[in-house]
Amino acid sequence: KNEVEQSPQNLTAQEGEFITINCSYSVGISALHWLQQHPGGGIVSLFMLSSGKKKHGRLIATINIQEKHSSLHITASHPRDSAVYICAVNFGNEKLTFGTGTRLTIIP
Amino acid sequence: GAVVSQHPSRVICKSGTSVKIECRSLDFQATTMFWYRQFPKQSLMLMATSNEGSKATYEQGVEKDKFLINHASLTLSTLTVTSAHPEDSSFYICSALPPGSYEQYFGPGTRLTVT
Repeated sequence: KNEVEQSPQNLTAQEGEFITINCSYSVGISALHWLQQHPGGGIVSLFMLSSGKKKHGRLIATINIQEKHSSLHITASHPRDSAVYICAVNFGNEKLTFGTGTRLTIIP
Repeated sequence: GAVVSQHPSRVICKSGTSVKIECRSLDFQATTMFWYRQFPKQSLMLMATSNEGSKATYEQGVEKDKFLINHASLTLSTLTVTSAHPEDSSFYICSALPPGSYEQYFGPGTRLTVT
């Protein structure tokens, strides 16, 4: 069965802390996505990965294909990073299978 | 980056009426668009895959006669919620897929409230 698991479900941290959100999936994938959803509802695609590591500003995404695991890191976290972060996977086709999301709250 | 718009952003309608939601890819052509529904504090649920020039493919449990999808051009897909009922109240999000890519671009969503 194609499944995506995310942890933690909720994460509260102080401003400036280093944040890690994890995502595991059950079988081989074509691509893995990290998405950000703000309280207003809009979804932004942060990264699409099939191997290795990508960095954009304070955000870093890594993927380990052998271990079927990806992490999203946020360095020097800021209250504006507060959002729901969603891991989503293409299991060999165009449709996305979503993780349950991680609600991140950064306290000033 | 690629931009996808949705209209309206928010709609309130009376029970029994129909509501049309538009999803447009503004700067690229999308042969495939997806329609999702999201309940509060839950993840996105795929309702259907909309393919330009052909019938939409609905996920199991989604009533195709209730949620009509039309993908008449490479930049526009519409979702019509027919005979809406309060239980149809939800957040509806579309995404568009450029040809040959796995990267979906999401619209800002439409919040539907049926009274």
